[in-house]
Amino acid sequence: DAGVIQSPRHEVTEMGQEVTLRCKPISGHNSLFWYRQTMMRGLELLIYFNNNVPIDDSGMPEDRFSAKMPNASFSTLKIQPSEPRDSAVYFCASSFWSGGSYGYTFGSGTRLTVV
Amino acid sequence: DQQVKQNSPSLSVQEGRISILNCDYTNSMFDYFLWYKKYPAEGPTFLISISSIKDKNEDGRFTVFLNKSAKHLSLHIVPSQPGDSAVYFCAAKDQGGSEKLVFGKGTKLTVNP
Repeated sequence: DAGVIQSPRHEVTEMGQEVTLRCKPISGHNSLFWYRQTMMRGLELLIYFNNNVPIDDSGMPEDRFSAKMPNASFSTLKIQPSEPRDSAVYFCASSFWSGGSYGYTFGSGTRLTVV
Repeated sequence: DQQVKQNSPSLSVQEGRISILNCDYTNSMFDYFLWYKKYPAEGPTFLISISSIKDKNEDGRFTVFLNKSAKHLSLHIVPSQPGDSAVYFCAAKDQGGSEKLVFGKGTKLTVNP
């Protein structure tokens, strides 16, 4: 399995532009998570889906952020319009149960820089 | 309000010695705990977990200890190796139906040869 795949790895955009981050979870993992990592706040959950349905979006900062999961193998996180304070590393993860253990498998992240 | 706290931003140990990383939590509803390791420019990778019905879980060189009364857990790495140098995150999940993991801010471990 290729793991959780995120694209792009790096994104530099100008303030006010729309940014779309993409994620392909591991096949068979039923839940998908979007996290943001910053120095100040660490890893914070933005939103998570179960069976393609949004379950908890309480971490989405504001209306500029939106996320979709149109099918079990694809999700997007969109920021429109982007602002410099959105600069961070965005991680996608999908969850697993294995041998009595639960956890997430993370993608490699998208480093977003808004200038 | 930080529910999972890793109070040491960094830790440095000698190769072959024990590394002890600590984590405190405030939410008594947490009943499952995990440790993740993160190398630069990579996503966090799962290391080890423990349920609140246990007080210890071991996997090779890695052992996690849970003290529920103190709301404290620790990760022991014995012996430490230079390849263990990374940022370690503690995470917790509550006993409700949510799959949300709450993460600490991480501790950067450096193992010196």
